[in-house]
Amino acid sequence: AQKITQTQPGMFVQEKEAVTLDCTYDTSDQSYGLFWYKQPSSGEMIFLIYQGSYDEQNATEGRYSLNFQKARKSANLVISASQLGDSAMYFCAMREGEDSSYKLIFGSGTRLLVRP
Amino acid sequence: NAGVTQTPKFQVLKTGQSMTLQCAQDMNHEYMSWYRQDPGMGLRLIHYSVGAGITDQGEVPNGYNVSRSTTEDFPLRLLSAAPSQTSVYFCASSYEGTAFNEQFFGPGTRLTVL
Repeated sequence: AQKITQTQPGMFVQEKEAVTLDCTYDTSDQSYGLFWYKQPSSGEMIFLIYQGSYDEQNATEGRYSLNFQKARKSANLVISASQLGDSAMYFCAMREGEDSSYKLIFGSGTRLLVRP
Repeated sequence: NAGVTQTPKFQVLKTGQSMTLQCAQDMNHEYMSWYRQDPGMGLRLIHYSVGAGITDQGEVPNGYNVSRSTTEDFPLRLLSAAPSQTSVYFCASSYEGTAFNEQFFGPGTRLTVL
């Protein structure tokens, strides 16, 4: 069974609008962490945001926020006020257990295109 | 700090050839990992290391060897390249000790096996 599921292969958003990228996960661990990475066309992996399973508040980093719904096992990324530079692939990833960020499990990604 | 560096950036091999992908980090990170990214897919873990002299297999280890003789370096060896190993390879490092350990990724090596 897939551990990380990203059901949106591609999405469009109008510049300056908000967009939500979906991510659901599957784990039996009580302690886990969820990450979002951005991969622009140049290919590098850029860390965006992290949410720990015990964090009670949703993580935020600038225009990025993570909508964490533990009971639903979802960790959606919300990008507010989209910019043209946000066009990229976005990957959701998970670490299982404590202190195991050296072995992340990745979803298949969502390609976001921002329209001017 | 240079962060995580990988060489080469691009490589073309013939089936059966061997080669080593180099990875180095200057952040004194204990943890290092190798991932591969196939077209249209996310990254999959090949091997990882939690410190010098300690390595372990990830999800897709077959056809690859690793060693970790120093904290800084974590080379990935392809013993006998196959077309199925055509992929982009990412090396990553992170530090231990906290629940949140961001992995810092190298720029990747694009490998084509003919």
